[in-house]
Amino acid sequence: AQSVSQHNHHVILSEAASLELGCNYSYGGTVNLFWYVQYPGQHLQLLLKYFSGDPLVKGIKGFEAEFIKSKFSFNLRKPSVQWSDTAEYFCAVRRLTGGGNKLTFGTGTQLKVEL
Amino acid sequence: GAVVSQHPSRVICKSGTSVKIECRSLDFQATTMFWYRQFPKKSLMLMATSNEGSKATYEQGVEKDKFLINHASLTLSTLTVTSAHPEDSSFYICSANSGSSWEQYFGPGTRLTVT
Repeated sequence: AQSVSQHNHHVILSEAASLELGCNYSYGGTVNLFWYVQYPGQHLQLLLKYFSGDPLVKGIKGFEAEFIKSKFSFNLRKPSVQWSDTAEYFCAVRRLTGGGNKLTFGTGTQLKVEL
Repeated sequence: GAVVSQHPSRVICKSGTSVKIECRSLDFQATTMFWYRQFPKKSLMLMATSNEGSKATYEQGVEKDKFLINHASLTLSTLTVTSAHPEDSSFYICSANSGSSWEQYFGPGTRLTVT
C-alpha cells in the first residue's frame, strides 16, 4: 500500500532559523506531490505542489520543496522561519495511475517557532 | 478563492445517537467531495469519495452503513455518523473539487465527541 512518511513529528525552532521537513513516499509510479499547512484553528491550505518539470518548486510564504525522484522524497524548506509559521504541515501524494484524485497524507509535523 | 464550510464546527452527542455533519462549497460547484477523519497525532485518513448524484465510494475498512454519505447537490454533501460510539470521536474534515480540477479545497473540520 502506498504510504507517506514524515519523520519529524514535532519541530521547535527559533525565529530566523532554517527549516527542513522530511517527506518520503513509497509508491513507485508517477505521482503528484503536495505540502499543506494547517494554522491553529484554520483549515488545510495548499503551500505548494509538484506535478512535473523543475524539481525545485516554490510556494507561498517563502516555502520551497525539492522533489528527488531517486530518494522518493519531497522535503519542505524555508531559509528563515517566522513566528507566524507555527502550524502543522502535511505532505500528501496523489497517485496518477489508478488513484483517482485521492490524496494520501503523511502524519504531519507540528512546527513551533519561538520568538 | 474557493471556500468550503462545515457545520457544525463542534458537536457532542450521546452514545447510540446519530449526528449529521454538513459540507458546503460556497462559491463553486463541487462535483466531488471527500471525507477524511483525523485522529490525534495521526494523518488524515480518507473515508470516502462522493460524486454528486451517485453513491459514495468508501475506502477499505470504512463501514458504509455506519458512515452514511449523501451528495445530493453540487454544493452540499453530508456525513451521518449512525449509532455513534465513543470510538467515533474524532475530527472529520471534508474537501471538495470541481470538474477536472485537481485541487481539493478543505473545510475547517468538525470535532465530534461521543459521550
